[in-house]
Parts: sequence; structure tokens; C-alpha cells
Amino acid sequence: DQQVKQNSPSLSVQEGRISILNCDYTNSMFDYFLWYKKYPAEGPTFLISISSIKDKNEDGRFTVFLNKSAKHLSLHIVPSQPGDSAVYFCAALRAGNMLTFGGGTRLMVKP
Amino acid sequence: DVKVTQSSRYLVKRTGEKVFLECVQDMDHENMFWYRQDPGLGLRLIYFSYDVKMKEKGDIPEGYSVSREKKERFSLILESASTNQTSMYLCASSLHDRSPYSNQPQHFGDGTRLSIL
Repeated sequence: DQQVKQNSPSLSVQEGRISILNCDYTNSMFDYFLWYKKYPAEGPTFLISISSIKDKNEDGRFTVFLNKSAKHLSLHIVPSQPGDSAVYFCAALRAGNMLTFGGGTRLMVKP
Repeated sequence: DVKVTQSSRYLVKRTGEKVFLECVQDMDHENMFWYRQDPGLGLRLIYFSYDVKMKEKGDIPEGYSVSREKKERFSLILESASTNQTSMYLCASSLHDRSPYSNQPQHFGDGTRLSIL
């Protein structure tokens, strides 16, 4: 039973437009949520996180929104750039610094 | 800069072999993790370690064991490799935060693609 789900396996966006990646979770005990970005043949790299006591966190072009009542978070990338093309993983943090990952969404930004 | 190094990028082994995957980090991190990545399933935690000689089971530990004899090194062992262990294996490390929920991000190596024939 996947506790963190990314229901869109892929997303295609035009350069300069907004990319919205979605993530749903089932465990209300998760306290932090993180997004990782992964290029082919490289390990995932940390992108941005949000605490469960907040509903928004922004870092440059990247913003993460958290809706606790809906158990839903999303990552917004504005404006999208071709270099943003990668697989994005949503992850939830549980006690002991353990992460539970979603299945990933492949983002393709077209020039 | 943070560096997590996995000894092999690609590895091919035979069913029944004992397989060792090695991971070294140079950041003096207390926490180290082993994941496997499979299409559609994301990353799943196999084992992790908070300190030397310490290990904890993750979500899918069956068929695996680990060893942490030195702080910087964390080894994943497939006792008797099987074809369903063909996967991408990722090692990660992080600083240990004493609070129950640590926001210290995990830093990943580039992965080992393991094929079991």
C-alpha cells in the first residue's frame, strides 16, 4: 500500500509556462514533505521542503503548497525551463529521518 | 561539497551469488540509507543506520543485510541474489538531528544498476 502517491507518471509543459506536479499521501503522521529531482544516471537531489505547520514554501522559481485537510501537496515551477526536465519525486518524512517516496513524475519542458 | 560515492555504476551477477554494494560518504554524516528504485514504485527503503555498528530495517529488508563498520562506509549485502533483486540501488546519507523528525535532507549517490541473471 503506497502511502505517498504521484498519480501522473509524466507531464509535458512548454518553456516559460507553469509546471504543476501533484502528490497525495494517506498517513496523517507525516511531519515534513520534500521534493527531489532526478536526472538520468544521477542520484536524486533535494529541491525544496515544507513543514506540516505551513501551507506554502517558496524558493526562487519553485513553490510547494500543502493542503493538510486534503492530504495533498503540489510543486509549482514558474517559469519552466528545459533544464527542469527530470523525474520529480515527492517524499514524506516520518520519525527516525525515514523517507517514504512517491512513484515519481517525469517532467518534460519543451523549448 | 557533499559527496556520496557508490563503488559500481553497473553490476551483473548470477542467481545465488553473494553480492556486495559499497557506499562511502565524506561529510561525516551519522545517518546512512540504502534504497532501491523501480519504475512506478519510486524509492523504497531497504535498511538504514544511525551510527557505526547500528542498523535498522526499512520497508523492504527481506533478502538483504547491511554492514557499517566505519562511519563513512555502509555496505548492502544480497545474501543469495535472485532475479527479483534486479534494480537500481541508491545510497544516501544525512546529518542526524536529535529531534524525532529531522529536516536534514538526504544526499544521494549516483546509484548502482544491478542485474541478476
